[in-house]
Amino acid sequence: NAGVTQTPKFRILKIGQSMTLQCTQDMNHNYMYWYRQDPGMGLKLIYYSVGAGITDKGEVPNGYNVSRSTTEDFPLRLELAAPSQTSVYFCASSYSQQGASEAFFGQGTRLTVV
Amino acid sequence: DAKTTQPPSMDCAEGRAANLPCNHSTISGNEYVYWYRQIHSQGPQYIIHGLKNNETNEMASLIITEDRKSSTLILPHATLRDTAVYYCIVRVYNFNKFYFGSGTKLNVKP
Repeated sequence: NAGVTQTPKFRILKIGQSMTLQCTQDMNHNYMYWYRQDPGMGLKLIYYSVGAGITDKGEVPNGYNVSRSTTEDFPLRLELAAPSQTSVYFCASSYSQQGASEAFFGQGTRLTVV
Repeated sequence: DAKTTQPPSMDCAEGRAANLPCNHSTISGNEYVYWYRQIHSQGPQYIIHGLKNNETNEMASLIITEDRKSSTLILPHATLRDTAVYYCIVRVYNFNKFYFGSGTKLNVKP
């Protein structure tokens, strides 16, 4: 059972480059999320999606874009990488159900922008 | 979502119970209390959640005060592998977003 899978695990980008962080889940969850975590800090919500075709901004959306064309996939796009985007990025998914909707997290993508 | 307040760090002896407090004095009636933990830099892991009643599962127990303004996560017999950052989160059960605070760094010592 794969759960939430993120690729790549590590990446170094130059300032101004673009890249897409991939996230896929095989649990048929309708909700998916992207978080970033700076060193020594808690997680900050970037974007989230409540289902295919529906996305919305979280706490720190600037510099990022997302799309949700399928239930399984929720890629995060960085268009013009900046050093401030150096962080660990976590994707998560959850299922909306009565009484509980715990989120399952991927193992993260460690991104360095130089 | 209601804000939470947690101590930045705590120590616990291996084999003893670890009691991690969380203050959520502005919690609303339809908001649940969730606990997650993050070991090293791995993805956060769900531990337990509750609304009003105390809850127990194979990992931990959750004690919520009667006024729901605070809660305590209890790890009954802490091991070295329980060393992690523990996050207390409150949210409406069916609401879209989880907001993480700074958490409590639990250090389990031999």
